[in-house]
Amino acid sequence: ELKVEQNPLFLSMQEGKNYTIYCNYSTTSDRLYWYRQDPGKSLESLFVLLSNGAVKQEGRLMASLDTKARLSTLHITAAVHDLSATYFCAVDVGINDMRFGAGTRLTVKP
Amino acid sequence: DTEVTQTPKHLVMGMTNKKSLKCEQHMGHRAMYWYKQKAKKPPELMFVYSYEKLSINESVPSRFSPECPNSSLLNLHLHALQPEDSALYLCASSQRREYTGELFFGEGSRLTVL
Repeated sequence: ELKVEQNPLFLSMQEGKNYTIYCNYSTTSDRLYWYRQDPGKSLESLFVLLSNGAVKQEGRLMASLDTKARLSTLHITAAVHDLSATYFCAVDVGINDMRFGAGTRLTVKP
Repeated sequence: DTEVTQTPKHLVMGMTNKKSLKCEQHMGHRAMYWYKQKAKKPPELMFVYSYEKLSINESVPSRFSPECPNSSLLNLHLHALQPEDSALYLCASSQRREYTGELFFGEGSRLTVL
């Protein structure tokens, strides 16, 4: 059975600090996505990682993919309050089949 | 136009009612999805339509009935729901053929079953 494991599930950070969210998965895939969800809202696509070694950056967020280790990371640099949200990784395992991690609920405190 | 539109945004229904959720996209995507999301949980896949044909049905109870009238529209017909079916229902679309690809989500329909 495919497993997509995120950790931590809850993260409380101080503004200005750095931290990394991890996403491990149990099947062979070289396609992984990160989504953001604000409370009561839908999911917004953040990053699309389509090969081993892929690295994408947008503002204070940087995502990477290591398909050999079956690991993706979402690194937060100098966190600000606006980054408070739930972050999901999702693994693309085939035609029309996307599986989500449990989500990491991030709170950035002043 | 990179938008997936869902209606209604909020729906309250009794257990004997029949209602429908609607989803529309004009990005030319040929795969459309229904996900169910309970509070503080990840989205759970319910149905996938690929080229207007049902390709995945994740053992969803028959009180949920999907329909894809054409490549731009996706409906979810609801009948005799239970209170535990209360959730956020998300529609999404993707354009890839050989794999899923990036999902574009609508704003969701928040369903409350009384």
